[in-house]
Amino acid sequence: AQKVTQAQTEISVVEKEDVTLDCVYETRDTTYYLFWYKQPPSGELVFLIRRNSFDEQNEISGRYSWNFQKSTSSFNFTITASQVVDSAVYFCALSEDYGGATNKLIFGTGTLLAVQP
Amino acid sequence: DAGVIQSPRHEVTEMGQEVTLRCKPISGHNSLFWYRQTMMRGLELLIYFNNNVPIDDSGMPEDRFSAKMPNASFSTLKIQPSEPRDSAVYFCASRLTSPALQFFGPGTRLTVL
Repeated sequence: AQKVTQAQTEISVVEKEDVTLDCVYETRDTTYYLFWYKQPPSGELVFLIRRNSFDEQNEISGRYSWNFQKSTSSFNFTITASQVVDSAVYFCALSEDYGGATNKLIFGTGTLLAVQP
Repeated sequence: DAGVIQSPRHEVTEMGQEVTLRCKPISGHNSLFWYRQTMMRGLELLIYFNNNVPIDDSGMPEDRFSAKMPNASFSTLKIQPSEPRDSAVYFCASRLTSPALQFFGPGTRLTVL
């Protein structure tokens, strides 16, 4: 069965601190995708990154970076020098890919990040 | 380009009333998903269409819920009769078949009194 675990329910940091959001997943498939979405207080779901199971390269995008480790089934997200605008709920999600068949997203429970000024 | 469009953005209704949520996917996308977000259950898939055909409706909570996709540019999610426990944010998402990247609409916040 597919499952995504975000053990951190809430994290509070002070602006300019670095913060890492943890994500652990379970799947029996060898081909899958992992995602991070951001949900700011306004409520929309904003796509941040997609990573497929064959690409374990870490990725950096500005202040954001992602660490994918298949050995530990983890896909962690780090924000460097956090800002108040980073305050949001962050969701990790898993999607199994059958070449176009069911690709529903399995979401974790989310981590509420509060960045204090 | 317009993203996924949902209407209404907010809906307040009374128990027992029929509620219809609407979604217009991104043009050219051939898969459409309806998700529901609640505090208790988080984000969960309700139903998924591929090329306008329902593929997986195992997440639809009960017979009070129904969804249709009469054409590639429009889908509805109907609740009849509505109950207070249906109060949630309902998201619509669309994507091309591959790669597996879903784009979400802004959501409809439903409150059933």
